[in-house]
Order: sequence, then C-alpha cells, then structure tokens
Amino acid sequence: KAGVTQTPRYLIKTRGQQVTLSCSPISGHRSVSWYQQTPGQGLQFLFEYFSETQRNKGNFPGRFSGRQFSNSRSEMNVSTLELGDSALYLCASSLFGLADTGELFFGEGSRLTVL
Amino acid sequence: GQSLEQPSEVTAVEGAIVQINCTYQTSGFYGLSWYQQHDGGAPTFLSYNALDGLEETGRFSSFLSRSDSYGYLLLQELQMKDSASYFCAVLFYNQGGKLIFGQGTELSVKP
Repeated sequence: KAGVTQTPRYLIKTRGQQVTLSCSPISGHRSVSWYQQTPGQGLQFLFEYFSETQRNKGNFPGRFSGRQFSNSRSEMNVSTLELGDSALYLCASSLFGLADTGELFFGEGSRLTVL
Repeated sequence: GQSLEQPSEVTAVEGAIVQINCTYQTSGFYGLSWYQQHDGGAPTFLSYNALDGLEETGRFSSFLSRSDSYGYLLLQELQMKDSASYFCAVLFYNQGGKLIFGQGTELSVKP
C-alpha cells in the first residue's frame, strides 16, 4: 500500500510569508502527527490530529497550526515565517495514535528554507 | 521538561555489534521506540518496547529497563547500509501527549 506522502518536498519562502504543507497518511490511518527537524534542536513534536481533532500539541508558538480533514489528510500552516523556521517538516501516520504500538510511519518530509 | 540522552556518534566496523543507549530522568511513559534515518530522509520504525526486556527483530534488538531508566538498541552483524542516525522516542504520561525524541546517534560503519 502507498506510504505517507508529503507535498511539497522542497520550498523556499521569505521572512513574513506563510506556508502550507500537506500530508496524506497511509490508507486507514486516523492519526497524523507533525514534527520539525533541525540540526540544532533535533526532532521536535508539533501536534497530533486524530479523526479531525487536535489531540496533542507541542511547545511551538501559535504561528504553527494544523488541521485534519475527514479523509485523514492533514495540513500544517506556518504564518509570519522567521529564519529559524527553516527545517525539515515531517509528518507521520499511525492507526490509533502515539500511545499505540509506538510505530509511526513517516513521510519523506518537506524541506523549508526561509530567506 | 523530559529529555532523552543518546551518544552523538558511534563508529564500528562491518560485522561487529554495536549498542546505542538511551537514558532518561523520569519514569512514567507508554514505551520506548527506535527509529533509523538515512541522510535526512524519512525515519523508519525499528522497534518498540512497551515492557521491560528484550525485543528481537532480525539483526536489531531493543531493550528496556524502567527500573534503571534506560534502554538500548543493539545492532548485530553490522553492514555498511546501517550507517545512519538512530533516534529513541518516548511518549511520557505527564507531557500532554508530546512525543519526545533523543538527539540521535550518528552511526558510521567502516569496512
């Protein structure tokens, strides 16, 4: 079956702009979680959505938001971009969520560069 | 907040065995997961320990000891393709559902 698909794979934005990233989970998976990966901070949890509801949220400012649609596809949005938002943004899907078997299926990520 | 400690780098030769440790300060979590990531690509799931003890999956094994506050990933019969970053991850009960990752261990396998 198809894996987790993230689009776009690469994008370049300038400070102050906003960006929307998309994630299509594995068919049947109801949980989608998002992560930011940078060389300095490593992998950091952004939020998790399950059945269209945000279930958990990491320690990121309100500029970072997300949503999930009825088909489980998810989007995350970052407004008023800052240079420090340059990162690889990963999404992961699972059947029942983070507290389940611990097995997350990750997409290839969206690499965002903010100039 | 909670944090997971891993060695930043490990080097080993082909055919050898290597152990990557993951330590934490506070108990109270669902389980310990391990992921492998090649060159900034998609992390892939390796193993999960919900209970103390050893989990074996082919050349990879993972161990958890809640009483000693640590776990490890054991890689046997190392191959060049095992060169990658390895992350441990934990979902603590008292972190509001935030999944916490270690900083990752860069494994280099030499011929």
